Amino acid sequence: NAGVTQTPKFQVLKTGQSMTLQCAQDMNHEYMSWYRQDPGMGLRLIHYSVGAGITDQGEVPNGYNVSRSTTEDFPLRLLSAAPSQTSVYFCASSYLTGVDGYTFGSGTRLTVV
Amino acid sequence: AQTVTQSQPEMSVQEAETVTLSCTYDTSENNYYLFWYKQPPSRQMILVIRQEAYKQQNATENRFSVNFQKAAKSFSLKISDSQLGDTAMYFCAFMKDYGQNFVFGPGTRLSVLP
Repeated sequence: NAGVTQTPKFQVLKTGQSMTLQCAQDMNHEYMSWYRQDPGMGLRLIHYSVGAGITDQGEVPNGYNVSRSTTEDFPLRLLSAAPSQTSVYFCASSYLTGVDGYTFGSGTRLTVV
Repeated sequence: AQTVTQSQPEMSVQEAETVTLSCTYDTSENNYYLFWYKQPPSRQMILVIRQEAYKQQNATENRFSVNFQKAAKSFSLKISDSQLGDTAMYFCAFMKDYGQNFVFGPGTRLSVLP
């Protein structure tokens, strides 16, 4: 089925561990992004990409890295997990201008203990 | 920078009744897009309705409609004939014209009561 696939759906990490959240889309969308969702704060942009080899920072990029080697994949790396990174993470994609809205993945609930 | 405010953290409505969720935003842009997304307990983000700022006519999608007041920078969502399946978190979001990134509001949790 066409869409955005995020893995894993749930993850528990210890402080200081690293991990990669995977995101893949099969709609040939140029734009991909990562948001985090925290209670009372809505969704905030972490990083985004407008094509393979091009990435840029969003509102809350600290502690996260991204790369975009292919159109389909946009992984998010947590370098050294901290409790403040406990959140729900969403990957989303769209055509280059997102004015028709995004296609969202199903989210990853991450807990850092 | 743009900001989006949703002043009602939680709301409830009886099944079959009508409810209105509020959203205000701040921008210096003249052309932009506004969206309402629904997030049910499944956590999936679902696009409910979309409004182009240069269109004066309010968008409608079945039981969902908006009241877009550009001068007041207000974008409220009206849900008619509320159904139990409308229980969800609702997010208002702003995007600049030719933009890519959303600015989301903090959300309103709506409960539809039987």
